[in-house]
Amino acid sequence: NAGVMQNPRHLVRRRGQEARLRCSPMKGHSHVYWYRQLPEEGLKFMVYLQKENIIDESGMPKERFSAEFPKEGPSILRIQQVVRGDSAAYFCASSPSGANQPQHFGDGTRLSIL
Amino acid sequence: DQQVKQNSPSLSVQEGRISILNCDYTNSMFDYFLWYKKYPAEGPTFLISISSIKDKNEDGRFTVFLNKSAKHLSLHIVPSQPGDSAVYFCAASDSNYQLIWGAGTKLIIKP
Repeated sequence: NAGVMQNPRHLVRRRGQEARLRCSPMKGHSHVYWYRQLPEEGLKFMVYLQKENIIDESGMPKERFSAEFPKEGPSILRIQQVVRGDSAAYFCASSPSGANQPQHFGDGTRLSIL
Repeated sequence: DQQVKQNSPSLSVQEGRISILNCDYTNSMFDYFLWYKKYPAEGPTFLISISSIKDKNEDGRFTVFLNKSAKHLSLHIVPSQPGDSAVYFCAASDSNYQLIWGAGTKLIIKP
């Protein structure tokens, strides 16, 4: 999965803290997607961004979750006031364009809430 | 409502034989299908895709078959190798960027 870089790989937070997950897409890719995976389940779409624009955030909870992809720097998925149910693996993917293109994934951030 | 289903949680195959992983979908608007492989503690790795205008796509040891009337696709791996042991996910989209994922099938290749 070289190319899409996610950090940190593991993140531990206490309930009520904030979690920030970072994603740098593959070189040349301007489309970024965030997915969440719960144990024994497939990935669930959260949000789709292009540079400086949120294209679709329909899979993201309306409260406490936000995402950005600034002109410079990585995409950030931010979770405020984390709760136990936020514990999951969060994967970022990128593609050179939008529809009907393979998305290439990072190795994920495993978020654990104490 | 699960739009993409992988009904076999696991599959065990002898090394050298053919592995067949299956996937069913319910949304007739899906027009692009992908297979990914995932090792523990890593992200999914893209394997092969197929557009709904085709019924077969081949890449080396991997072949994907699409049966639109049955809303079914399958991934064939021939011959199976120990490194193929992983969880395989089927995903689909409807000319959209959102990939809808199955729950995965764990493939175990026995030596």
